[in-house]
Amino acid sequence: GDSVTQMEGPVTLSEEAFLTINCTYTATGYPSLFWYVQYPGEGLQLLLKATKADDKGSNKGFEATYRKETTSFHLEKGSVQVSDSAVYFCALSSLNNAGNMLTFGGGTRLMVKP
Amino acid sequence: DAGITQSPRHKVTETGTPVTLRCHQTENHRYMYWYRQDPGHGLRLIHYSYGVKDTDKGEVSDGYSVSRSKTEDFLLTLESATSSQTSVYFCAISGDKPGQGRSTGELFFGEGSRLTVL
Repeated sequence: GDSVTQMEGPVTLSEEAFLTINCTYTATGYPSLFWYVQYPGEGLQLLLKATKADDKGSNKGFEATYRKETTSFHLEKGSVQVSDSAVYFCALSSLNNAGNMLTFGGGTRLMVKP
Repeated sequence: DAGITQSPRHKVTETGTPVTLRCHQTENHRYMYWYRQDPGHGLRLIHYSYGVKDTDKGEVSDGYSVSRSKTEDFLLTLESATSSQTSVYFCAISGDKPGQGRSTGELFFGEGSRLTVL
């Protein structure tokens, strides 16, 4: 079945540092790939997505490129802020009778210190 | 704001008691989902619904049942709660709207219901 593997956290960075959170996946066919973010006490919200190979998703300074050859979708940001502290989830979507059934990775907690 | 509300937001109960969590949406979306979130496991799908009275099992459905008698409500029931069901439960709806073509792939999540089973 489909699966998503992402680096374990927590990841602790100083403000303005460069961020990379690794994500690799296993799936049949051509899934869509997502990064969701969860701020403390809240539900998940979509950060960015890519629907086909070589697509780059971007939002709020975060980027991720759909790499089919390495089955990866790593999340990057050039300069993190304290407000980026959250849990980040990589996910893939397989369309079936359930519409957007998402398979999630285990989540990576990011802590940014001033 | 995607118009999803979950209730209750927090609940403490004892082993063996029944528990029902409610998800209510105001978006008229066809698909609704229940996930549980546990440390190290991310989110795992419990059950989902693709229409009124149309539901199916997800990855971790044992010990849970669901019902959807109206488009806007999706209920998750633990018939006899166990300590292993202590978790945070999230409801989600698909970003699809009626008549829309290919899915956008986006889910909108509620704020979660924290359940503790003693």
